Amino acid sequence: GAVVSQHPSRVICKSGTSVKIECRSLDFQATTMFWYRQFPKQSLMLMATSNEGSKATYEQGVEKDKFLINHASLTLSTLTVTSAHPEDSSFYICSAQGRTNTGELFFGEGSRLTVL
Amino acid sequence: GQQLNQSPQSMFIQEGEDVSMNCTSSSIFNTWLWYKQDPGEGPVLLIALYKAGELTSNGRLTAQFGITRKDSFLNISASIPSDVGIYFCAGQLGVTSGSRLTFGEGTQLTVNP
Repeated sequence: GAVVSQHPSRVICKSGTSVKIECRSLDFQATTMFWYRQFPKQSLMLMATSNEGSKATYEQGVEKDKFLINHASLTLSTLTVTSAHPEDSSFYICSAQGRTNTGELFFGEGSRLTVL
Repeated sequence: GQQLNQSPQSMFIQEGEDVSMNCTSSSIFNTWLWYKQDPGEGPVLLIALYKAGELTSNGRLTAQFGITRKDSFLNISASIPSDVGIYFCAGQLGVTSGSRLTFGEGTQLTVNP
């Protein structure tokens, strides 16, 4: 299957700082990228959908000023957690979808954020 | 919104046993997908189903897309220790780019050697 890479895989930061997570599609053009958040022993919760070159669409309850998403190219989307607080600590996962007729999604490896 | 009910929530089995898990939905999906997630990793696609009634195998895994489009099951035969992980079903309404997934709550599988 297609390869989606996330970086960093783990990040620890101090409260009040901002953290950027990158999601790259390595061998295909991702017209749409999705960002999820996952708490321990729970399912994936969709945060936002981003299409290349346009503003992300956020799910209800997700603060767009807190979780800034940029999808500037067909191979890169970034999630920036601004002014992070301990409650933002979580596992963040991206997935990418290309121009196929199956709509198949490929997931990144995830990024574990710990805010001290 | 749409919800997927996945069961069982967890399973503890002996190596060599067969496993079955399923998902049901209150509404129709046009695609059903099954993923496995290892600790600290992103989900990996196991099987994708695109047609009602479709039965698809991938090695020891078999999955079916229910005829009503509201359910799907995943079977794992002759389980081995590396089958341990969380299995998620996911439903997708469309097949075009931008069609989101709705995930089940996951089934935690433990295989005892």
